Amino acid sequence: ELKVEQNPLFLSMQEGKNYTIYCNYSTTSDRLYWYRQDPGKSLESLFVLLSNGAVKQEGRLMASLDTKARLSTLHITAAVHDLSATYFCAGRGLYGGATNKLIFGTGTLLAVQP
Amino acid sequence: DVKVTQSSRYLVKRTGEKVFLECVQDMDHENMFWYRQDPGLGLRLIYFSYDVKMKEKGDIPEGYSVSREKKERFSLILESASTNQTSMYLCASNAGQAGAYEQYFGPGTRLTVT
Repeated sequence: ELKVEQNPLFLSMQEGKNYTIYCNYSTTSDRLYWYRQDPGKSLESLFVLLSNGAVKQEGRLMASLDTKARLSTLHITAAVHDLSATYFCAGRGLYGGATNKLIFGTGTLLAVQP
Repeated sequence: DVKVTQSSRYLVKRTGEKVFLECVQDMDHENMFWYRQDPGLGLRLIYFSYDVKMKEKGDIPEGYSVSREKKERFSLILESASTNQTSMYLCASNAGQAGAYEQYFGPGTRLTVT
């Protein structure tokens, strides 16, 4: 069964600094999602990574996928306060037929300090 | 824009009460999901449905049931609420195979059982 682990669970960083959130998964998953959740709000889709070596970027966030290492990363460049949120990764559990589902990591709470 | 709405943002119920959480999506999606979100545990799937009147258990179905009588509506039922069901409940929907495409989330219902 697919398990998804994120680290760190909490990240406090200064504005202008770079950092990376890691998402490891335990068995084969053919796609990886990144979501953002602002406090008290719901989840918003950021990226969908579909193949080995896939890289997607939007603004100061860049996500990549290495299916051989079973690792996805979310890199933050020159952080700004507006990026403060909880970030989740999720992989697809392959149960076959119509019953596959997303397995979520525990989330990384990012706090960007001025 | 995909819209997923949930009937209440905040709900307070007493132990033993029957609780209904409603979710409606307006994009004709086949699949609908109920998750609960707890600190340090991420999102855990309670139930999902891939068609009207069809349902599948997720990872933590105990103490919950669901109903999907119409394609756009998916209800989560707590037959006899208990304090350990105090949580944030998130509804989501997507098209196609359940795990294959990004899921769109509703705003969440924060349920407190006293």
